[in-house]
Amino acid sequence: ETGVTQTPRHLVMGMTNKKSLKCEQHLGHNAMYWYKQSAKKPLELMFVYSLEERVENNSVPSRFSPECPNSSHLFLHLHTLQPEDSALYLCASSQGAGTYEQYFGPGTRLTVT
Amino acid sequence: KQEVTQIPAALSVPEGENLVLNCSFTDSAIYNLQWFRQDPGKGLTSLLLIQSSQREQTSGRLNASLDKSSGRSTLYIAASQPGDSATYLCAVNNAGNMLTFGGGTRLMVKP
Repeated sequence: ETGVTQTPRHLVMGMTNKKSLKCEQHLGHNAMYWYKQSAKKPLELMFVYSLEERVENNSVPSRFSPECPNSSHLFLHLHTLQPEDSALYLCASSQGAGTYEQYFGPGTRLTVT
Repeated sequence: KQEVTQIPAALSVPEGENLVLNCSFTDSAIYNLQWFRQDPGKGLTSLLLIQSSQREQTSGRLNASLDKSSGRSTLYIAASQPGDSATYLCAVNNAGNMLTFGGGTRLMVKP
């Protein structure tokens, strides 16, 4: 595997379910990001992790809970989501949390029913 | 708060045309600006990164310019091809960690 991978690629969940999105980067980077892309809205940054510590939480509801156990893996734990949370969730990584180029994964298409 | 605007929102051109995509931002205190390509339902592919101290970057048929003082960037695509059809996104980094994205330009190149 190369680059940034995300699983699952598609997920349908009910509002009472609990699920997790997984991201893995194979680039030797030490900063990772979660973004949300909703229909007809610009991409929005959700969370930033640098050296496994959260350095940015962009006013995201607590029903989204990130976890970064090491510099290669990033999770987004989901619980009691709303239909408006349906979106494409994108993971990215960069060499550092600063002025470095960000590399994106293919995304997870989430549908909340 | 940084705001990024991309014009036009959609563009359709015949194959072979040279074209320019525009990006403007409200806060000129940026670290860098990045152009991405996104195919339908897919993730983002980085095309060009321009640091705040640079004026332009080139990669193949793509050339991106940056005028930080006026809050503008352009992406020039030479000799467009049907394979260039995608959404092009501009993103500004002005807080060290955070990218602020524009709404994108959806490009269709017709054979």
